[in-house]
Order: sequence, then C-alpha cells, then structure tokens
Amino acid sequence: GAGVSQTPSNKVTEKGKYVELRCDPISGHTALYWYRQSLGQGPEFLIYFQGTGAADDSGLPNDRFFAVRPEGSVSTLKIQRTERGDSAVYLCASSPGIGEGEKLFFGSGTQLSVL
Amino acid sequence: QQQVKQSPQSLIVQKGGISIINCAYENTAFDYFPWYQQFPGKGPALLIAIRPDVSEKKEGRFTISFNKSAKQFSLHIMDSQPGDSATYFCAASNYGDDKIIFGKGTRLHILP
Repeated sequence: GAGVSQTPSNKVTEKGKYVELRCDPISGHTALYWYRQSLGQGPEFLIYFQGTGAADDSGLPNDRFFAVRPEGSVSTLKIQRTERGDSAVYLCASSPGIGEGEKLFFGSGTQLSVL
Repeated sequence: QQQVKQSPQSLIVQKGGISIINCAYENTAFDYFPWYQQFPGKGPALLIAIRPDVSEKKEGRFTISFNKSAKQFSLHIMDSQPGDSATYFCAASNYGDDKIIFGKGTRLHILP
C-alpha cells in the first residue's frame, strides 16, 4: 500500500480481555516500530523489528505485551489481560531499514479503549 | 527521567507571525534531532530534522536552530498559517539506535 496501514482504527474492549492490533508496513520496508501515545503525551517507544526478529523490545511495559512479525512484513501487537491503563493510541511506523530514521513513516494508529 | 523536554505545552500565534517551540535534551550521545507534526486522528509526520554538525537547517518556512553546548534546539515557523495548527513534537535518537525519544508535544494554534 501507499502508507502504513493499521487495523482496527478503534478497538473497545473490557478489562481482562485479550486484543490484537495489526500493522501493515510500507511495501519493502524492513524495519517496523510500535509506539504508544497516551492522551496529551508524545509517542513512547515499545518495540522495533528488523525483518522477522525483534531488534529492541526494551519499551514493552510488562509481559502482558507481545509483538510478532513472522514473515517480516505484517506485525501484530498482542495485549493480554488488558487493563484500563492500557488505553491509548498504538502507533506503528516503518522505514526502509535500520539507521534510516529520516525515512520513518507512521500509520494513523489504533485507538484502544479498555472499559 | 524525561530525556527530551519540550516547551511550551501550548502556543497561540497570529496568522503571519513566528511560532517558536523549544526543546532541551540530556543525553549527549543523541545525534539526530527531528521535529514531527501531528494532526488530530493521524500519526506523526516528519517535518524537518538536524544533526549536530550544523547549527541551523532551513526548509521553506521551517527552521531548526541547534545549540550543542546548551543541549537545546528549537523550531521556528515563519509566516505561520492556520494550516500549521497542529501538535508538534521534538525528538532525539542515537545514530544506529532507531529508538526515537519524543518530547511531550506543543499544541500550536494559528489565529486566522
């Protein structure tokens, strides 16, 4: 596609439920990033992939959060036992490769609301 | 510990005026300093970026001024337009480490 695509655009769930958020990067981009943006705050780094492997997952807040990118393209962010504090916009971004931050493009995000 | 501190939180400027947003960083290993623009319901988009080997970079109406010794950099928007109304984020990262650290953002409103 022309840009980074994230689905769903909105997700409402109940506390304790499991959710999956999907990111489809720009075609040919090998690096993929997940960020979380709370209301009124800047994006906060969660994890990034180079190809299929997680190059840096130091931003994942706890073991309820997990992300995969099995074929080096689409990525899924998985959140188990959701909590109200997980409510935020989850942003995905991609770039042609590591070290090409000037070519980093963000999707429009998934607004997650945990009731 | 907030590694990138941005001010002001919000800013109102008359059309045609100059908008100035400031940013300070702590980690001297940072060597890439981008500014992002974000409209409601959209992801951030790269506006302009600078590396510490220059003190200023200009692209159209947007200028970054960089002061390495003070560990500060700022965004100047000349001839501000209503279409510039958005949230602006300064950010920083280390070369080779693609983990970009964002400031908390400045909500800019340009009065028509």
